Amino acid sequence: AQSVTQLDSQVPVFEEAPVELRCNYSSSVSVYLFWYVQYPNQGLQLLLKYLSGSTLVKGINGFEAEFNKSQTSFHLRKPSVHISDTAEYFCAVTPTDKLIFGTGTRLQVFP
Amino acid sequence: DAGVTQSPTHLIKTRGQQVTLRCSPKSGHDTVSWYQQALGQGPQFIFQYYEEEERQRGNFPDRFSGHQFPNYSSELNVNALLLGDSALYLCASTYPKQGSPLHFGNGTRLTVT
Repeated sequence: AQSVTQLDSQVPVFEEAPVELRCNYSSSVSVYLFWYVQYPNQGLQLLLKYLSGSTLVKGINGFEAEFNKSQTSFHLRKPSVHISDTAEYFCAVTPTDKLIFGTGTRLQVFP
Repeated sequence: DAGVTQSPTHLIKTRGQQVTLRCSPKSGHDTVSWYQQALGQGPQFIFQYYEEEERQRGNFPDRFSGHQFPNYSSELNVNALLLGDSALYLCASTYPKQGSPLHFGNGTRLTVT
């Protein structure tokens, strides 16, 4: 079975500061990894995905994530956040196409 | 290019009633999945449909059932509603290929009173 742990339920940060949202996963088989963002009253939008190849993955809106197999982590980073990045962020894994989500991290960007 | 569309956007039902939620997948997608997102939680997988058959199922009781139509649209039915069924129900579509990302609709907010 697979599981996802998002270590921080909330991350407050000031505008233009860097941010890292942490994600660790557990799986006995190889998995694909994803980060999704959810804005208020909306569905989930794909930020980026890791399927194979380079462990540094670039996504939309200036986000990137690094896959670390030895640490079973897939942390999300952005060098300079904007007010509009305020949202809920979900890490997810799948060995096939059934996504298993973490509980989410609320990113709150302050001016 | 139309994305995933869900209807209705909001719904209020009473305990014991039955509800049907509807989903149209993104153009070109033929696989539809349903997720339940309780307040403050991540989405939980309910089931997935492909070629009008339920292909995978999560840990949900038989009160939750679904259907996929020849045009790939899908319905989620929940019988004998409980207060705990109150949640955002998300539909997602994709291609039947490993690693293909899911595209989500904006969800149906179900409130059971």
